[in-house]
Amino acid sequence: GNSVTQMEGPVTLSEEAFLTINCTYTATGYPSLFWYVQYPGEGLQLLLKATKADDKGSNKGFEATYRKETTSFHLEKGSVQVSDSAVYFCALTIPGSSYKLIFGSGTRLLVRP
Amino acid sequence: NAGVTQTPKFRILKIGQSMTLQCTQDMNHNYMYWYRQDPGMGLKLIYYSVGAGITDKGEVPNGYNVSRSTTEDFPLRLELAAPSQTSVYFCASSPPTDGSNQPQHFGDGTRLSIL
Repeated sequence: GNSVTQMEGPVTLSEEAFLTINCTYTATGYPSLFWYVQYPGEGLQLLLKATKADDKGSNKGFEATYRKETTSFHLEKGSVQVSDSAVYFCALTIPGSSYKLIFGSGTRLLVRP
Repeated sequence: NAGVTQTPKFRILKIGQSMTLQCTQDMNHNYMYWYRQDPGMGLKLIYYSVGAGITDKGEVPNGYNVSRSTTEDFPLRLELAAPSQTSVYFCASSPPTDGSNQPQHFGDGTRLSIL
């Protein structure tokens, strides 16, 4: 079946450190891939997306590249800030599935000053 | 710019009680979804709708019902609340397709406790 696997958290970093959150997927067909972010007490917000192989999504200094050969969509940021502390969800949709999102379990990021 | 609005934000129910979680969107989106988020877990799809009058089950539909009489509203009903339904519930909507996948827009969630 279709699924998303994320690295377990929490991930604790110092401000200005480099961030990588791993995400791999299993899917039929050609999924679209997403990263959502959830700040404390809030709903999910789209962070970035990629709809085909080798696409790079980017937003707010975060980047992720759709790697079909390794079925991965790792999230990276060169220099994290305290305000980046949140839970990050990797997700996919399958074409023709009414855009239902399949989520990973989420990775909590804590950035310390 | 209201987006997706969920009410209530918090609720405590007793076992066996019933309630309806409200969700409304003002973006004229065709697609709407209900998810639940359990602690330390990702979101799981309960029900979804591709338009008014059309609903379908997601991954975890047992114990819930939905209706979609208008494009704007997609209420989720719990008929006999059970402790296993303690969770945070999120409603989301997506715009009509234009050939590319559109992101879902989420409400702020309803935190529900069954005691």
